[in-house]
Amino acid sequence: DTGVSQDPRHKITKRGQNVTFRCDPISEHNRLYWYRQTLGQGPEFLTYFQNEAQLEKSRLLSDRFSAERPKGSFSTLEIQRTEQGDSAMYLCASRATLSGENTGELFFGEGSRLTVL
Amino acid sequence: GEDVEQSLFLSVREGDSSVINCTYTDSSSTYLYWYKQEPGAGLQLLTYIFSNMDMKQDQRLTVLLNKKDKHLSLRIADTQTGDSAIYFCAETGIMDSNYQLIWGAGTKLIIKP
Repeated sequence: DTGVSQDPRHKITKRGQNVTFRCDPISEHNRLYWYRQTLGQGPEFLTYFQNEAQLEKSRLLSDRFSAERPKGSFSTLEIQRTEQGDSAMYLCASRATLSGENTGELFFGEGSRLTVL
Repeated sequence: GEDVEQSLFLSVREGDSSVINCTYTDSSSTYLYWYKQEPGAGLQLLTYIFSNMDMKQDQRLTVLLNKKDKHLSLRIADTQTGDSAIYFCAETGIMDSNYQLIWGAGTKLIIKP
């Protein structure tokens, strides 16, 4: 397993278009997270999944954003009717369930950079 | 609400020690983490400390935790040019009941020759 992978790495789109990002987590990780990061900021939580269940969504996640993890493996994040304010790096991370045997380390992908013109 | 704060920049000379500081507000923090982000790359866990510890050393890295003052620091000994990156402090609460990490804004470490 080579780690968390995200696709595409870069996306430039016009305002109003829809975009979809894909994340393939580390295979044995049951938790998958989406974050958004803008310049000079730490990651902002968007949503997370435990297996295929979406357990929480941030208030940052407007109705234009939807995420799925249909089979508990890869996940997609779709943004409909993009706005210039959606321009950011979208980070995916995965981890195993926190327990005494692990530290809850999040493994991040390299991110998908979205530019909305 | 919960908050994590860091200075935005730190500049040190190559070979000196770097000390990056972080303060947090959540008194129930269980794990505190330091992540490193190099340009164009994802975040990578550098080290972590459990809240019942006050120090952890790992090669050139030393983490100090002052739980009373809610202060966390990361010391990098013999700073090298390869240490240039943004360093994020993050914390999480009661084991696995808080699914979110609370992140600082990151400290950009600049190495002067």
